[in-house]
Amino acid sequence: DAGVIQSPRHEVTEMGQEVTLRCKPISGHDYLFWYRQTMMRGLELLIYFNNNVPIDDSGMPEDRFSAKMPNASFSTLKIQPSEPRDSAVYFCASSFKGSYEQYFGPGTRLTVT
Amino acid sequence: RKEVEQDPGPFNVPEGATVAFNCTYSNSASQSFFWYRQDCRKEPKLLMSVYSSGNEDGRFTAQLNRASQYISLLIRDSKLSDSATYLCVVRGGSQGNLIFGKGTKLSVKP
Repeated sequence: DAGVIQSPRHEVTEMGQEVTLRCKPISGHDYLFWYRQTMMRGLELLIYFNNNVPIDDSGMPEDRFSAKMPNASFSTLKIQPSEPRDSAVYFCASSFKGSYEQYFGPGTRLTVT
Repeated sequence: RKEVEQDPGPFNVPEGATVAFNCTYSNSASQSFFWYRQDCRKEPKLLMSVYSSGNEDGRFTAQLNRASQYISLLIRDSKLSDSATYLCVVRGGSQGNLIFGKGTKLSVKP
């Protein structure tokens, strides 16, 4: 079975550019999570969805960040405009209600210069 | 006080050693507890859940002390393949509210 799929795996962009990260959760999972990981702050929850509906976006750092989940098999995290401090690894994870285990994708390593 | 605190390490141990990691959490209402493992430049993966009565999975033993808000992970007979970062994870009141510690790095040497 395919796990959580993320694209791109690596992204290098210049400050001010728009960045879109993509995620396909595991089929049948009804929860989807976006995390950001840095050395300084560790793994931080940005936002999560249940049945495609955003439930908690309190971790989204500011208005430059937005996330959507138009259907059960696809989600995007957009940063516009990007800044160097957004450089991090962004993970998408999914889970099925009734299980607290979250399955993580391989991550997108974002570098903003 | 940080919600989940761990000693960052690194813990450098020889093969065959026993090593223990500790973790404290601040929210006494936390309901579920886990250890995740993260290999270098990889995604986190669930290692084991932590139950109030303590639980064991092969060489790994997890303990929970709710009164002290303390979680531990013991690894016996360390293998080279155990080298990774171990993340202490606490769940609050909702499905999505997993709080991750920054992790403890373990390096097992031959």
